[in-house]
Amino acid sequence: GAVVSQHPSWVICKSGTSVKIECRSLDFQATTMFWYRQFPKQSLMLMATSNEGSKATYEQGVEKDKFLINHASLTLSTLTVTSAHPEDSSFYICSAPRDRGLDNYGYTFGSGTRLTVV
Amino acid sequence: LAKTTQPISMDSYEGQEVNITCSHNNIATNDYITWYQQFPSQGPRFIIQGYKTKVTNEVASLFIPADRKSSTLSLPRVSLSDTAVYYCLVFNTDKLIFGTGTRLQVFP
Repeated sequence: GAVVSQHPSWVICKSGTSVKIECRSLDFQATTMFWYRQFPKQSLMLMATSNEGSKATYEQGVEKDKFLINHASLTLSTLTVTSAHPEDSSFYICSAPRDRGLDNYGYTFGSGTRLTVV
Repeated sequence: LAKTTQPISMDSYEGQEVNITCSHNNIATNDYITWYQQFPSQGPRFIIQGYKTKVTNEVASLFIPADRKSSTLSLPRVSLSDTAVYYCLVFNTDKLIFGTGTRLQVFP
């Protein structure tokens, strides 16, 4: 149980275009979704936190107008990279917490999206 | 959020036991300790989680001393497929902040 489905798994786009990444919680309700970015050989960096029905919270240094996050339902959160540039090429990963009591609290991660901007 | 410190890399051979120690000196009373495994181009995968003493599941053990300022992930009899990056994190239902992780390389 507790699966987060992330699509697409990889995408190649041209500079200046926008790309949408979707994360769906398949068997639980995700009121919160975390979005991470990971460059090669580096750790995951938290970009933003999306909450169902409210505005996302962005980490310091992350451009909210460039990385649009929408969490319109309890099972779907999307990240749109707008006006993509080659430096946005990275591995994007979503994660949703599963609240089953503090002793069994956990996070489920999506499989990631490899974005390449050419 | 408590910062974690762990070795950048470790090498091992198949069949050996691997212990990865993580320091979290500023862990708060309500924080839990969790470990994740990540293979290249995949999302992190949950390994084990604990609050104190010892926790064991089918893939690993987690040892946490009484002061909880460190923890040790123990992988028994590693195989080549255990080559991955292992992340130690502390949290209390808040967002997960990843440290550098430990890159484990298992050799035949």
